[in-house]
Amino acid sequence: AQTVTQSQPEMSVQEAETVTLSCTYDTSENNYYLFWYKQPPSRQMILVIRQEAYKQQNATENRFSVNFQKAAKSFSLKISDSQLGDTAMYFCAFRNPASGGSNYKLTFGKGTLLTVNP
Amino acid sequence: DGGITQSPKYLFRKEGQNVTLSCEQNLNHDAMYWYRQDPGQGLRLIYYSQIVNDFQKGDIAEGYSVSREKKESFPLTVTSAQKNPTAFYLCASSIGFQPQHFGDGTRLSIL
Repeated sequence: AQTVTQSQPEMSVQEAETVTLSCTYDTSENNYYLFWYKQPPSRQMILVIRQEAYKQQNATENRFSVNFQKAAKSFSLKISDSQLGDTAMYFCAFRNPASGGSNYKLTFGKGTLLTVNP
Repeated sequence: DGGITQSPKYLFRKEGQNVTLSCEQNLNHDAMYWYRQDPGQGLRLIYYSQIVNDFQKGDIAEGYSVSREKKESFPLTVTSAQKNPTAFYLCASSIGFQPQHFGDGTRLSIL
């Protein structure tokens, strides 16, 4: 079974600075997808960024980027120019597409609570 | 706008009572999912469904039941057998290789 580990329960950063959230996972599969979701105080789950394991290039979405190290099974999220609205719980998630059909189950880490301070 | 609607936002259960959480989507997604979120636990999968009239147990299905009679709807029943039902429940849907979309959740508490 796949496992996802987020070793930082809480982190804080000053507004406009850069912060990196860690995520490691364990799988024997070669083809899979990785995601970072954001859950602000409203509790809504919002997709931040995704990475396909077969792509060597790290994904980037505006101020959000990942450092995907497949051999090390590491998938960290970097947030540049942090904003107050980035304050949220961040979840790393793994999906193995070999589940079949349109059912692609997600395995989530326990989350990192990020606080952006003014 | 397309999306996932969960209702009610807050729900209270009495001892020995079954309660049903609603999840409706108009995204034309094939797959739907139910997750439970507890503090410090992340999200754990309860049940999932790939197509109408078919569903499978997730990691923590005991004390829960679901149905999938329509593509748009995937209600979750928390039965009296679930001894610790207080949690935040999230419904999600997906199609193909696209990421899962989530509803706004339902918070269930015990009276």
